[in-house]
Amino acid sequence: EDQVTQSPEALRLQEGESSSLNCSYTVSGLRGLFWYRQDPGKGPEFLFTLYSAGEEKEKERLKATLTKKESFLHITAPKPEDSATYLCPDSAGNNRKLIWGLGTSLAVNP
Amino acid sequence: GAGVSQSPSNKVTEKGKDVELRCDPISGHTALYWYRQSLGQGLEFLIYFQGNSAPDKSGLPSDRFSAERTGGSVSTLTIQRTQQEDSAVYLCASSLLGDTQYFGPGTRLTVL
Repeated sequence: EDQVTQSPEALRLQEGESSSLNCSYTVSGLRGLFWYRQDPGKGPEFLFTLYSAGEEKEKERLKATLTKKESFLHITAPKPEDSATYLCPDSAGNNRKLIWGLGTSLAVNP
Repeated sequence: GAGVSQSPSNKVTEKGKDVELRCDPISGHTALYWYRQSLGQGLEFLIYFQGNSAPDKSGLPSDRFSAERTGGSVSTLTIQRTQQEDSAVYLCASSLLGDTQYFGPGTRLTVL
């Protein structure tokens, strides 16, 4: 069964304390691995798409990487505004439907 | 429009009533998706529209759920005879040719 597992479930960091979030997937026929952030009461906000092992994407303090079985979201010197739930759905199948894990809830304390 | 919009933002209904949720996708996007996000659960795929093709309804949880997309743009998700377990946030997303999906703010449905 296609599934996505994210770890840790929750992470609390001090401002400036770098860390990484993990996303492991068992989706066959992978069409793309996405990273989104979701703030409370809002829809997911697109961050990155990764298509092949070895690919990396960066945006401000965030860097996403992809291997054959995992993706990592590295957060460098986070700020309180980076607090959110981070989600890494897979896209599979002809309809490109996204398969979601439960996310990592990140809290960055000032 | 600038982004995906959904209405209403909140809906409270009584068990057994029908509800309609609306989604306006990004202009020009050919693909439209509905997802459901229940408390403590990951997003759950419901239905997918792509252009004029027959929709993929494989994620609809029961025959009480239906959706249509008129004129390749606006979509309506209808839930008949609502049950308490239907309470969730319903999210709509659109994409250009089925690639990156952009989400609306969601409709929070509460069934009393």
